[in-house]
Amino acid sequence: ETGVTQSPTHLIKTRGQQVTLRCSSQSGHNTVSWYQQALGQGPQFIFQYYREEENGRGNFPPRFSGLQFPNYSSELNVNALELDDSALYLCASSLQVSGETQYFGPGTRLLVL
Amino acid sequence: QQQVKQSPQSLIVQKGGISIINCAYENTAFDYFPWYQQFPGKGPALLIAIRPDVSEKKEGRFTISFNKSAKQFSLHIMDSQPGDSATYFCAATVSTGTASKLTFGTGTRLQVTL
Repeated sequence: ETGVTQSPTHLIKTRGQQVTLRCSSQSGHNTVSWYQQALGQGPQFIFQYYREEENGRGNFPPRFSGLQFPNYSSELNVNALELDDSALYLCASSLQVSGETQYFGPGTRLLVL
Repeated sequence: QQQVKQSPQSLIVQKGGISIINCAYENTAFDYFPWYQQFPGKGPALLIAIRPDVSEKKEGRFTISFNKSAKQFSLHIMDSQPGDSATYFCAATVSTGTASKLTFGTGTRLQVTL
């Protein structure tokens, strides 16, 4: 088990709503990355946060946004939810911004109806 | 664009057999190649990783073979056990970049039978 925790574990929303997912990074890790994993697919990089600023972004629209707090915990916010946003959202922490080893949390399963 | 291609999509191996999963990449800037193991309802867990300056890395029953010229790498699981039944993902990243973005393959579902 890694020290990365995520909440909630499961979430059901309807199309058009907004959602906030939370992540606590492993102790001592200052970098948090978020990934979206659709059913039967590999995780896709959403963005990374380092020192409370976005530091790299994947091919996701602006309605996906995030925050990192001084204690290195992080939030992922998704506005105007679409049915295709249904997925497992994974948070991963690492020791430094260019660190290779990323430790994943258990994920939040989001279902959009 | 699928930058890391993984095969097979699924694999059934008898207990004690060898499981082999293959990946190919396109981006020659990739310099770190981890393999992750994921059980249902869990996040991916780092299994083993390799850099392109070595052709093979072994940790217990798990071995990565790397072919830089062919831009291919593979995971071998020796003496496969039922507890190895999981989904395996290869990944790649540019470790010296400004952001450690992992690019994942599509996954291989491994089932080890008795």
